[in-house]
Amino acid sequence: GESVGLHLPTLSVQEGDNSIINCAYSNSASDYFIWYKQESGKGPQFIIDIRSNMDKRQGQRVTVLLNKTVKHLSLQIAATQPGDSAVYFCAENPNGGATNKLIFGTGTLLAVQP
Amino acid sequence: SAVISQKPSRDICQRGTSLTIQCQVDSQVTMMFWYRQQPGQSLTLIATANQGSEATYESGFVIDKFPISRPNLTFSTLTVSNMSPEDSSIYLCSVGAGVQIRDTQYFGPGTRLTVL
Repeated sequence: GESVGLHLPTLSVQEGDNSIINCAYSNSASDYFIWYKQESGKGPQFIIDIRSNMDKRQGQRVTVLLNKTVKHLSLQIAATQPGDSAVYFCAENPNGGATNKLIFGTGTLLAVQP
Repeated sequence: SAVISQKPSRDICQRGTSLTIQCQVDSQVTMMFWYRQQPGQSLTLIATANQGSEATYESGFVIDKFPISRPNLTFSTLTVSNMSPEDSSIYLCSVGAGVQIRDTQYFGPGTRLTVL
């Protein structure tokens, strides 16, 4: 069945270090992926997305890597700051663009220690 | 990205009652969606709100329990009917960034519902 899971439910890092949040997806037909950040009491905030014709995409302090061979997605945050503390979700469009449905992963809590 | 607001931001309701949640967008959007986020869990799509036609529900969600309206391209409502404590969740609306199916979705702030 369809599933998106994360390897690490909780990640604790020191301020200034780089963070890597991982996500595994199961549907090989998925061709669009998004990372969201959800702070306490707020809705998910778009961070970065990537389409399946790319392996890597960079934003401001964030990089998303896509490995279609092993169906793995990662979010790298450079120089992690206390404001990065939140739950991070990956999401996939599992139907090759046939529908709008997004399947969300279980989430990783990123705790940044000052 | 579009600015999305939801009303109410939170509510505490009694078992057996219904609550209607509103989602307002500051610009016209083609795609609007409703999600549920149970305590400490991830997001699950309830339905796609279609303008001018009935909503498209995901498996496990039915119109009698979660009726949805979409009267225009900037507004939608979700009603949680005949509530039970199991309906305690955050309910989120999202909008598609464009007209393509695989466009990014942006989320509102959510409505935190507690059912006693």
